[in-house]
Amino acid sequence: DAGVIQSPRHEVTEMGQEVTLRCKPISGHNSLFWYRQTMMRGLELLIYFNNNVPIDDSGMPEDRFSAKMPNASFSTLKIQPSEPRDSAVYFCASSLGGTSGGPSTDTQYFGPGTRLTVL
Amino acid sequence: AQSVTQPDIHITVSEGASLELRCNYSYGATPYLFWYVQSPGQGLQLLLKYFSGDTLVQGIKGFEAEFKRSQSSFNLRKPSVHWSDAAEYFCAVGTNAGKSTFGDGTTLTVKP
Repeated sequence: DAGVIQSPRHEVTEMGQEVTLRCKPISGHNSLFWYRQTMMRGLELLIYFNNNVPIDDSGMPEDRFSAKMPNASFSTLKIQPSEPRDSAVYFCASSLGGTSGGPSTDTQYFGPGTRLTVL
Repeated sequence: AQSVTQPDIHITVSEGASLELRCNYSYGATPYLFWYVQSPGQGLQLLLKYFSGDTLVQGIKGFEAEFKRSQSSFNLRKPSVHWSDAAEYFCAVGTNAGKSTFGDGTTLTVKP
């Protein structure tokens, strides 16, 4: 398997622009997670899906952020409008989704991340 | 809600020396415990995990971790560190009730 695929790997944009990050989870995985990593705040869970349904979006910073999972093989994280404080590395991860319990009980497989810079 | 504490932000060890990275968790029941490693510019990769059973868990790259319920700890160890082990290490807790929680990470530097 190719692992979790994220695109783009790097994104540089100007403040106010819309940014869309994409993720393809591992085939057969039922849970998908979006994380943000910064030096100041570390690794933060933004939102996670189970069977394409958003389960917990309490980590989404504000209404400028939205995430969708239209099918089992694709998810997007959108920021509109973007701000300089959104600059970070955004990771997508997938897991089998609770074979032993809830979605957080399985190993998460991380993508390589998207480094976002908002000028 | 669960929480994870990694008391050491940065650790430096000499190549060939032993290593122990600390992780303490807070949760009312036995959690699912994980150690992940992140090399520069890459995503996180699982080193090992504990769900139940033997409290000493073996992982990849020669790492092991021991679950101690009485101390609410899940420390990561390696008997002899290699230069390629330099990375950031994250402890994580998962529960049946919901989402997982990651610690703030420990950065490991290996001196030649």
